[in-house]
Amino acid sequence: NAGVMQNPRHLVRRRGQEARLRCSPMKGHSHVYWYRQLPEEGLKFMVYLQKENIIDESGMPKERFSAEFPKEGPSILRIQQVVRGDSAAYFCASSPAPSNQPQHFGDGTRLSIL
Amino acid sequence: KNQVEQSPQSLIILEGKNCTLQCNYTVSPFSNLRWYKQDTGRGPVSLTIMTFSENTKSNGRYTATLDADTKQSSLHITASQLSDSASYICVVSPASGGSYIPTFGRGTSLIVHP
Repeated sequence: NAGVMQNPRHLVRRRGQEARLRCSPMKGHSHVYWYRQLPEEGLKFMVYLQKENIIDESGMPKERFSAEFPKEGPSILRIQQVVRGDSAAYFCASSPAPSNQPQHFGDGTRLSIL
Repeated sequence: KNQVEQSPQSLIILEGKNCTLQCNYTVSPFSNLRWYKQDTGRGPVSLTIMTFSENTKSNGRYTATLDADTKQSSLHITASQLSDSASYICVVSPASGGSYIPTFGRGTSLIVHP
């Protein structure tokens, strides 16, 4: 029973490019949460999604960031026109039901912007 | 503003020794408090979770305590092992209805030396 899978583990982009981060939740989990961890900072909530629905995106920057969780396939966090400040570790977590503190995290995607 | 403060920021101990990590929070009312262990380059792994009515919770050599009156929690590690070297993160979730936004501390970086 695989855990939460994130890919790629490392992603390098130049300023202005697009970054796509993928998250496959644990089997049977239909709730996905994205978090961002800046260097020397705690994790910060970004967005909570269920299949085909965005439930809470209050932590998402208003521009350039979007997330989806389609009926089939992984959840995608998309960052357009990346800037140096987007460099961070992005973690995904999943749960079988709504949770204000999901237990199962992936190992993250480390995004580096050149 | 909800805050979670952890101390010390970093800690170095010898293998076999005990240590205690502190967490102070302002989240109120809160529904639960969780301690995570995060190894370098990995996602957080849950160690313990406590509701506001619980005072202590153990998981092997890890024991968490909670004082909801003073809004303080501690994580005690006994007979430390080299594999305990990691960041330990305190996370508090609000009790307000419909909120899925936990507040993460910045973590305590623990190094266990042989």
